[in-house]
Amino acid sequence: EVQLVETGGGLNQPGESLRLSCAASGFNVSSNYMSWVRQAPGKGLEWVSVIYSGGDTFYADSVKGRFTISRDNSKNTLYLQMNSLRAEDTAVYYCAGDGGGYWGQGTLVTVSS
Amino acid sequence: DVVMTQSPLSLPVTLGQPASISCRSSQSLVHNDGNTYLNWFHQRPGQSPRRLLYKVSNRDSGVPDRFSGSGSGTDFTLKISRVEAEDVGVYYCMQGTHWPPATFGQGTKLEIK
Repeated sequence: EVQLVETGGGLNQPGESLRLSCAASGFNVSSNYMSWVRQAPGKGLEWVSVIYSGGDTFYADSVKGRFTISRDNSKNTLYLQMNSLRAEDTAVYYCAGDGGGYWGQGTLVTVSS
Repeated sequence: DVVMTQSPLSLPVTLGQPASISCRSSQSLVHNDGNTYLNWFHQRPGQSPRRLLYKVSNRDSGVPDRFSGSGSGTDFTLKISRVEAEDVGVYYCMQGTHWPPATFGQGTKLEIK
Protein backbone atom coordinates (compact mmCIF):
# COMPACT_ATOMS: atom_id res chain seq x y z
CA GLU A 1 0.00 0.00 0.00
CA VAL A 2 1.27 3.45 -0.93
CA GLN A 3 1.51 6.01 1.85
CA LEU A 4 2.72 9.59 1.70
CA VAL A 5 3.04 11.31 5.07
CA GLU A 6 3.73 15.04 5.25
CA THR A 7 5.21 16.68 8.33
CA GLY A 8 6.75 20.01 9.22
CA GLY A 9 3.83 22.42 9.10
CA GLY A 10 3.17 24.96 11.80
CA LEU A 11 2.78 28.63 12.68
CA ASN A 12 5.45 30.95 11.36
CA GLN A 13 5.96 34.67 11.11
CA PRO A 14 6.41 36.44 7.80
CA GLY A 15 9.98 36.21 6.57
CA GLU A 16 10.73 32.99 8.41
CA SER A 17 11.71 29.62 6.94
CA LEU A 18 10.19 26.17 7.19
CA ARG A 19 10.95 22.76 5.73
CA LEU A 20 8.21 20.30 4.89
CA SER A 21 8.87 16.59 4.54
CA CYS A 22 6.92 13.89 2.75
CA ALA A 23 7.92 10.36 3.70
CA ALA A 24 6.87 7.70 1.22
CA SER A 25 6.29 4.00 1.67
CA GLY A 26 5.24 1.49 -0.95
CA PHE A 27 6.27 4.06 -3.54
CA ASN A 28 9.67 5.09 -4.88
CA VAL A 29 10.13 8.86 -4.70
CA SER A 30 13.29 8.81 -6.83
CA SER A 31 11.79 7.01 -9.81
CA ASN A 32 8.60 9.05 -10.04
CA TYR A 33 7.88 12.72 -10.50
CA MET A 34 6.74 14.23 -7.24
CA SER A 35 4.81 17.43 -6.71
CA TRP A 36 3.77 19.77 -3.94
CA VAL A 37 0.25 21.17 -4.19
CA ARG A 38 -1.26 23.61 -1.74
CA GLN A 39 -4.74 24.69 -0.75
CA ALA A 40 -5.39 27.97 1.02
CA PRO A 41 -8.22 27.89 3.57
CA GLY A 42 -11.54 27.57 1.79
CA LYS A 43 -9.88 27.80 -1.63
CA GLY A 44 -9.02 25.52 -4.52
CA LEU A 45 -5.91 23.55 -5.38
CA GLU A 46 -2.72 25.28 -6.50
CA TRP A 47 0.27 23.46 -7.92
CA VAL A 48 3.50 24.61 -6.26
CA SER A 49 6.48 22.59 -7.48
CA VAL A 50 7.64 19.38 -9.12
CA ILE A 51 10.81 17.30 -9.16
CA TYR A 52 11.30 14.81 -11.95
CA SER A 53 13.03 11.47 -11.61
CA GLY A 54 16.04 12.91 -13.40
CA GLY A 55 16.26 15.72 -10.86
CA ASP A 56 14.87 18.64 -12.86
CA THR A 57 12.77 20.99 -10.76
CA PHE A 58 10.10 23.57 -11.57
CA TYR A 59 8.14 26.07 -9.53
CA ALA A 60 5.02 28.17 -9.67
CA ASP A 61 5.79 31.84 -10.23
CA SER A 62 4.34 32.64 -6.81
CA VAL A 63 7.09 30.67 -5.01
CA LYS A 64 9.99 30.83 -7.46
CA GLY A 65 13.16 31.98 -5.76
CA ARG A 66 11.75 31.32 -2.28
CA PHE A 67 10.89 27.61 -2.25
CA THR A 68 13.17 24.67 -3.09
CA ILE A 69 12.01 21.13 -3.76
CA SER A 70 14.39 18.25 -3.16
CA ARG A 71 14.45 14.60 -2.22
CA ASP A 72 16.59 12.16 -0.26
CA ASN A 73 16.58 8.88 -2.13
CA SER A 74 18.08 6.99 0.81
CA LYS A 75 15.18 8.09 3.01
CA ASN A 76 12.59 7.90 0.23
CA THR A 77 11.51 11.37 1.30
CA LEU A 78 10.50 14.52 -0.54
CA TYR A 79 11.14 17.98 0.87
CA LEU A 80 9.99 21.54 0.36
CA GLN A 81 12.24 24.22 1.79
CA MET A 82 10.18 27.37 2.20
CA ASN A 83 12.03 30.65 2.77
CA SER A 84 10.85 34.24 3.09
CA LEU A 85 7.38 33.07 4.03
CA ARG A 86 4.45 35.37 3.30
CA ALA A 87 0.91 35.48 4.64
CA GLU A 88 -0.33 34.27 1.26
CA ASP A 89 1.65 31.04 1.69
CA THR A 90 -0.82 30.01 4.39
CA ALA A 91 -2.30 26.72 3.18
CA VAL A 92 -2.45 22.99 3.57
CA TYR A 93 0.48 21.56 1.65
CA TYR A 94 0.08 18.17 0.01
CA CYS A 95 2.72 16.03 -1.61
CA ALA A 96 1.51 14.06 -4.59
CA GLY A 97 3.06 11.34 -6.70
CA ASP A 98 2.36 9.55 -9.92
CA GLY A 99 0.69 12.54 -11.53
CA GLY A 100 -1.73 12.92 -8.67
CA GLY A 101 -2.49 9.25 -8.29
CA TYR A 102 -1.21 9.35 -4.72
CA TRP A 103 -1.63 12.12 -2.14
CA GLY A 104 -0.57 12.62 1.42
CA GLN A 105 -2.89 13.83 4.15
CA GLY A 106 -1.46 17.33 4.02
CA THR A 107 0.27 19.57 6.54
CA LEU A 108 -0.97 23.04 7.51
CA VAL A 109 1.38 25.98 7.18
CA THR A 110 0.20 29.22 8.77
CA VAL A 111 2.11 32.44 8.25
CA SER A 112 1.00 35.22 10.52
CA SER A 113 2.46 37.86 12.79
CA ASP B 1 -0.38 29.33 -18.34
CA VAL B 2 -3.40 27.26 -19.34
CA VAL B 3 -6.60 28.45 -17.69
CA MET B 4 -9.10 25.77 -16.69
CA THR B 5 -12.72 26.86 -16.33
CA GLN B 6 -15.30 24.62 -14.69
CA SER B 7 -19.07 24.89 -14.68
CA PRO B 8 -21.21 24.88 -12.75
CA LEU B 9 -19.39 25.90 -9.59
CA SER B 10 -22.24 24.60 -7.44
CA LEU B 11 -24.19 21.46 -8.28
CA PRO B 12 -27.17 20.36 -6.15
CA VAL B 13 -28.23 16.86 -7.13
CA THR B 14 -30.91 14.47 -5.95
CA LEU B 15 -29.68 11.04 -4.86
CA GLY B 16 -29.85 8.55 -7.70
CA GLN B 17 -29.93 11.25 -10.35
CA PRO B 18 -27.14 11.92 -12.87
CA ALA B 19 -24.69 14.80 -12.62
CA SER B 20 -22.39 16.45 -15.12
CA ILE B 21 -19.47 18.86 -14.74
CA SER B 22 -17.88 20.74 -17.60
CA CYS B 23 -14.23 21.73 -17.82
CA ARG B 24 -12.83 23.95 -20.54
CA SER B 25 -9.19 24.80 -21.17
CA SER B 26 -7.82 27.99 -22.72
CA GLN B 27 -5.85 25.93 -25.24
CA SER B 28 -5.91 22.43 -26.60
CA LEU B 29 -4.75 19.77 -24.17
CA VAL B 30 -3.50 17.41 -26.86
CA HIS B 31 0.16 16.76 -26.08
CA ASN B 32 2.85 16.36 -28.72
CA ASP B 33 2.91 12.65 -27.81
CA GLY B 34 -0.75 12.33 -28.82
CA ASN B 35 -2.12 11.95 -25.32
CA THR B 36 -4.48 14.37 -23.60
CA TYR B 37 -3.45 14.90 -19.98
CA LEU B 38 -6.71 15.90 -18.39
CA ASN B 39 -7.40 14.54 -14.90
CA TRP B 40 -10.39 14.71 -12.56
CA PHE B 41 -10.09 14.79 -8.78
CA HIS B 42 -12.62 14.52 -5.99
CA GLN B 43 -12.08 16.04 -2.57
CA ARG B 44 -14.43 15.18 0.25
CA PRO B 45 -14.73 17.66 3.13
CA GLY B 46 -11.66 17.48 5.35
CA GLN B 47 -9.89 14.97 3.11
CA SER B 48 -7.09 14.97 0.57
CA PRO B 49 -7.95 15.01 -3.11
CA ARG B 50 -8.34 11.68 -4.84
CA ARG B 51 -7.80 11.18 -8.54
CA LEU B 52 -10.80 9.67 -10.28
CA LEU B 53 -9.84 9.80 -13.93
CA TYR B 54 -6.64 10.36 -15.88
CA LYS B 55 -6.06 11.08 -19.53
CA VAL B 56 -9.69 12.14 -19.93
CA SER B 57 -11.47 8.85 -19.42
CA ASN B 58 -9.29 6.28 -17.62
CA ARG B 59 -10.66 5.40 -14.20
CA ASP B 60 -8.21 4.97 -11.34
CA SER B 61 -8.22 1.77 -9.36
CA GLY B 62 -11.24 1.46 -7.09
CA VAL B 63 -13.24 4.23 -8.77
CA PRO B 64 -16.85 3.14 -9.34
CA ASP B 65 -17.94 2.80 -12.94
CA ARG B 66 -20.70 5.35 -12.39
CA PHE B 67 -17.93 7.92 -12.97
CA SER B 68 -17.00 8.56 -16.57
CA GLY B 69 -15.02 11.15 -18.45
CA SER B 70 -15.19 12.36 -22.01
CA GLY B 71 -14.08 15.17 -24.25
CA SER B 72 -11.25 16.29 -26.44
CA GLY B 73 -9.24 19.35 -27.34
CA THR B 74 -10.49 22.03 -24.99
CA ASP B 75 -13.85 20.68 -23.79
CA PHE B 76 -14.20 17.93 -21.21
CA THR B 77 -16.96 16.47 -19.08
CA LEU B 78 -17.17 14.41 -15.93
CA LYS B 79 -20.40 12.47 -15.56
CA ILE B 80 -21.81 10.61 -12.60
CA SER B 81 -24.54 8.27 -13.78
CA ARG B 82 -26.34 8.01 -10.41
CA VAL B 83 -25.21 10.21 -7.55
CA GLU B 84 -24.66 8.56 -4.19
CA ALA B 85 -24.23 10.22 -0.79
CA GLU B 86 -20.46 9.55 -0.79
CA ASP B 87 -20.07 11.64 -3.96
CA VAL B 88 -20.50 14.95 -2.14
CA GLY B 89 -17.51 17.26 -2.11
CA VAL B 90 -15.57 19.30 -4.61
CA TYR B 91 -14.52 18.11 -8.06
CA TYR B 92 -11.49 19.55 -9.84
CA CYS B 93 -10.21 19.13 -13.34
CA MET B 94 -6.47 19.52 -13.89
CA GLN B 95 -4.38 19.73 -17.01
CA GLY B 96 -0.95 18.14 -17.20
CA THR B 97 -0.27 18.71 -20.87
CA HIS B 98 1.26 22.18 -20.75
CA TRP B 99 3.16 21.92 -17.54
CA PRO B 100 4.80 23.14 -15.58
CA PRO B 101 2.69 24.61 -14.23
CA ALA B 102 -0.10 22.12 -13.82
CA THR B 103 -3.31 24.07 -13.54
CA PHE B 104 -6.59 23.24 -11.84
CA GLY B 105 -10.13 24.36 -12.42
CA GLN B 106 -11.83 26.41 -9.70
CA GLY B 107 -13.68 23.39 -8.38
CA THR B 108 -17.33 22.32 -8.51
CA LYS B 109 -19.09 21.70 -5.23
CA LEU B 110 -21.56 18.83 -5.43
CA GLU B 111 -24.18 18.62 -2.73
CA ILE B 112 -27.25 16.49 -2.21
CA LYS B 113 -30.60 18.25 -2.56
